[in-house]
Amino acid sequence: DAGVIQSPRHEVTEMGQEVTLRCKPISGHNSLFWYRQTMMRGLELLIYFNNNVPIDDSGMPEDRFSAKMPNASFSTLKIQPSEPRDSAVYFCASSLEGSKGYEQYFGPGTRLTVT
Amino acid sequence: AQSVTQLGSHVSVSEGALVLLRCNYSSSVPPYLFWYVQYPNQGLQLLLKYTSAATLVKGINGFEAEFKKSETSFHLTKPSAHMSDAAEYFCAVSERTGGFKTIFGAGTRLFVKA
Repeated sequence: DAGVIQSPRHEVTEMGQEVTLRCKPISGHNSLFWYRQTMMRGLELLIYFNNNVPIDDSGMPEDRFSAKMPNASFSTLKIQPSEPRDSAVYFCASSLEGSKGYEQYFGPGTRLTVT
Repeated sequence: AQSVTQLGSHVSVSEGALVLLRCNYSSSVPPYLFWYVQYPNQGLQLLLKYTSAATLVKGINGFEAEFKKSETSFHLTKPSAHMSDAAEYFCAVSERTGGFKTIFGAGTRLFVKA
């Protein structure tokens, strides 16, 4: 299995630009999570999908952030417009809810730098 | 609502010494508990998990953790540290309450001295 795939691995953009991060979860998993990691705030859950439906988006910072999961094998996290404070590493993770344990499998992350 | 507290943001041990990383949790229902490890420039990966079976859980790389309900703790240990254990370790708790959510602790960075 290829694991969770994220693209791009690195993104550098200017303030005000739109940024789209992509994630392909592990085949057969039914839950998908987007996290943001910074030195100051640690690991934060942004949004959680189950069976392609957003279940909890209480961690999405503001309206500039949006996430979609059009099908079981693809999700996007969009920031529009981007700001320097959005600079962070963004992780996507997937899991098989209903399995014993509910462990999450993380992708390698996308390092976003907004200048 | 569940929460996780990791005591000590940084822990330093000598190679060959005992590793002890502390984690306390709160949960209103029987929880699932996890330890994850993050190496530099990588995502988190599962070390071990507790799912209400045996209270002493063995994981990868010689790590183990003991679930103690009376102390609401799930401390991670390894008898003998290796240089390759240097990484950041996250304790996490999950519970199903109208959905499924995992809460991660703030993380503990482990340094291993030669």
